[in-house]
Amino acid sequence: DTGVSQDPRHKITKRGQNVTFRCDPISEHNRLYWYRQTLGQGPEFLTYFQNEAQLEKSRLLSDRFSAERPKGSFSTLEIQRTEQGDSAMYLCASSLGLGVDTQYFGPGTRLTVL
Amino acid sequence: AQSVAQPEDQVNVAEGNPLTVKCTYSVSGNPYLFWYVQYPNRGLQFLLKYITGDNLVKGSYGFEAEFNKSQTSFHLKKPSALVSDSALYFCAVRDGGNTGNQFYFGTGTSLTVIP
Repeated sequence: DTGVSQDPRHKITKRGQNVTFRCDPISEHNRLYWYRQTLGQGPEFLTYFQNEAQLEKSRLLSDRFSAERPKGSFSTLEIQRTEQGDSAMYLCASSLGLGVDTQYFGPGTRLTVL
Repeated sequence: AQSVAQPEDQVNVAEGNPLTVKCTYSVSGNPYLFWYVQYPNRGLQFLLKYITGDNLVKGSYGFEAEFNKSQTSFHLKKPSALVSDSALYFCAVRDGGNTGNQFYFGTGTSLTVIP
């Protein structure tokens, strides 16, 4: 399967714990995006990487959230001191990086904070 | 501010009938418009996009969409609905007047095709 993959698919954690999600983009895709989707809503942009550089960050990305893409390949999204409001589906997408290119999404990581 | 509106939360259509899922947008520059479909417990799948050129765009699985600049709309259509088309559909826009790459998504429309 050469699509975008995300790990884990599901994560249940207790409030106050830290969690980390991984995203592996489609091979040779230079751009990588993180979105958050809550029930009944469309995906909301969190952050975006061009290769290893983090170029955009949404105001939704509080200081408890951090994302990295150290070698321009896979990316991690860490949430520190999780809150119940962080419960959502976290989606990763990647694109080639040429002009207005199509974003291809992974299956998502569903986070439940108890 | 950039935004997308999908005015219908739910659309029901009989199998074999034409379907339309509505989308309107607001951007400051030229709109780049996308449709995605989401099946339960799966990620978003790309259907089609409008960047420039012909206002009628054809995409995957027999879907098409028409860009209407005067009405700021990009409605998704299919001539003959299948039960397997039942899913959640999202419209998204990227603002060509903005150098950023983020998409703005609508809240989604749940399509049910009735056998």
